[in-house]
Amino acid sequence: DIVMTQSPDSLAVSLGERATINCKSSQSVSHSSNNKNYLAWYQQKPGQPPKLLIYWASTRESGVPDRFSGSGSGTDFTLTISSLQAEDVAVYYCQQYYTTPFTFGPGTKVDIK
Amino acid sequence: QVQLQESGPGLVKPSQTLSLTCTVSGGSISSGSYYWSWIRQPAGKGLEWIGRIYTSGSTDYNPSLKSRVTISLDTSKNQFSLKLSSVTAADTAVYYCARDAGGWWYFDLWGRGTLVTVSS
Repeated sequence: DIVMTQSPDSLAVSLGERATINCKSSQSVSHSSNNKNYLAWYQQKPGQPPKLLIYWASTRESGVPDRFSGSGSGTDFTLTISSLQAEDVAVYYCQQYYTTPFTFGPGTKVDIK
Repeated sequence: QVQLQESGPGLVKPSQTLSLTCTVSGGSISSGSYYWSWIRQPAGKGLEWIGRIYTSGSTDYNPSLKSRVTISLDTSKNQFSLKLSSVTAADTAVYYCARDAGGWWYFDLWGRGTLVTVSS
């Protein structure tokens, strides 16, 4: 199985400041045939299912605010919230869909400082 | 738009079989090239992919659960189902059904989830 790790476990950021979450996979999730990174990011608020934010490591899902951005390739990825808003308080998960079993990172909790 | 809704018993006794159904509304479960998945989340913990079924009926399971899991499709009812046998307290979780993005296996559509507690 591809093991996904995330750092930090949690972070508190002031409103309007940048939040950065890291995700690392135990093996590359980049496919040589199409140069795509099979990595997605989700946001989960309490009592709600996860919501897709980013796929292909850097493509924003329709309707997701542009303050959310994804970057990285191979085994190292980053989700950045450029200007944290109150509604961004949530747990964020990365997921690899390179191969089954699909696996998720343990999550990073984002709070307001 | 397409929506997913999980249903089933909220309480299951240890050693018994957990059975859940996901009803697809707003679209046909047979249309498009979608995989339909089950994913679970123990309270306060992360997400675990259980397995998936394609519109053809072919399945993939997480090896960690494969011996106990069956996912099936009922196109006449626009539903897919999960059966997890020999449950223990470790299977207590919120169970989500989800759909992939159609040929690419990130999950763009989720049900609201249903809590299943394993307890005598």
